[in-house]
Amino acid sequence: DTGVSQDPRHKITKRGQNVTFRCDPISEHNRLYWYRQTLGQGPEFLTYFQNEAQLEKSRLLSDRFSAERPKGSFSTLEIQRTEQGDSAMYLCASSTTSGSADTQYFGPGTRLTVL
Amino acid sequence: GQQVMQIPQYQHVQEGEDFTTYCNSSTTLSNIQWYKQRPGGHPVFLIQLVKSGEVKKQKRLTFQFGEAKKNSSLHITATQTTDVGTYFCAGPFAGNTGKLIFGQGTTLQVKP
Repeated sequence: DTGVSQDPRHKITKRGQNVTFRCDPISEHNRLYWYRQTLGQGPEFLTYFQNEAQLEKSRLLSDRFSAERPKGSFSTLEIQRTEQGDSAMYLCASSTTSGSADTQYFGPGTRLTVL
Repeated sequence: GQQVMQIPQYQHVQEGEDFTTYCNSSTTLSNIQWYKQRPGGHPVFLIQLVKSGEVKKQKRLTFQFGEAKKNSSLHITATQTTDVGTYFCAGPFAGNTGKLIFGQGTTLQVKP
């Protein structure tokens, strides 16, 4: 399978615990995005990388959230001291820059439940 | 701030009926993309429109980009149960062709 993969698919944690999610993009894609989706809403942009550089971080992202893409391939998203409001689907997408617009391909997501 | 709105939020149709969802942006878009998300699934890219007034067809699906590049529509002819899901439009944030701002989606239910 050469699509975007995410791990784990589901995560249940207690409030206050730290969690880390992983995303493996399509291999030739240089851009990687993280989005968050809650029930009944469209995905909300969190942050994105071009190669290993984190180019932008949404104001929605508190200091408890950090993302890395150390070698320009896979990425991790860590949430520290989780809160119930962090419960959501965390989606990763990747794309390759070509021309003036790039098509984003989404992974299956990690569903986080904070108890 | 920049917003993308979709209507309706929900649509229930009888199999065989047509369906249309409308997407409006608060700003002019360089392009618009449409995604479909099945229940329990993730967004899957359907199409991208770039030119003013562009119309593209994929079998029973017709996508249109407005002349002012601020609105778009998706029309499905003769819906089937396989069309069930949520349809999202998304446009790039102003000044950036990368990150996308999504509408809230239109959820389509099809009664057999």
